[in-house]
Amino acid sequence: GESVGLHLPTLSVQEGDNSIINCAYSNSASDYFIWYKQESGKGPQFIIDIRSNMDKRQGQRVTVLLNKTVKHLSLQIAATQPGDSAVYFCADSGNYGQNFVFGPGTRLSVLP
Amino acid sequence: NAGVTQTPKFRILKIGQSMTLQCAQDMNHNYMYWYRQDPGMGLKLIYYSVGAGITDKGEVPNGYNVSRSTTEDFPLRLELAAPSQTSVYFCASSYSSGRNEQFFGPGTRLTVL
Repeated sequence: GESVGLHLPTLSVQEGDNSIINCAYSNSASDYFIWYKQESGKGPQFIIDIRSNMDKRQGQRVTVLLNKTVKHLSLQIAATQPGDSAVYFCADSGNYGQNFVFGPGTRLSVLP
Repeated sequence: NAGVTQTPKFRILKIGQSMTLQCAQDMNHNYMYWYRQDPGMGLKLIYYSVGAGITDKGEVPNGYNVSRSTTEDFPLRLELAAPSQTSVYFCASSYSSGRNEQFFGPGTRLTVL
């Protein structure tokens, strides 16, 4: 079956450093991926998405990289700030685009 | 716009009780979803709807029911609450298919004792 997983459950970075959060997916038919940020006690919030016809997409301080060959996704956060502390989820649209498959999440802690 | 709203924020149920989790969105989105999130885990899709009058099962539908009589509302019904249904429930909506950003509500924390 399809699965979306993360390489590291927790990540601690110094304020101002860059953060890299990784994600692996297993469904080769997946053609759309989203990164979400979830702060404590809140619902997930969209960060950035990427379609399978791209290998890189940039937003404000965030970049998503997609490697379809090895079915790997990463989220890069530049100049990490205390407000970036949260759990980050990758999600995979799967075969039909209705049933997003979410990974278990990576908790990012920003150290002062 | 209020976005996606959910009520209640918290609820404690006894085994066998029933309840309805309310979800509403004011963005005129066609697609709506219900997820559950267990501690330390990702979200799992319970049910979704592609428009008023149309619903379909997600990954974990057992023990739940939904209805979609209007574009705005998508309630989730638990008929016979079980401890395994203790979780945080999130409602979400999107303009079109799953290949678009989903907007999430603040969640309902449900405990079944």
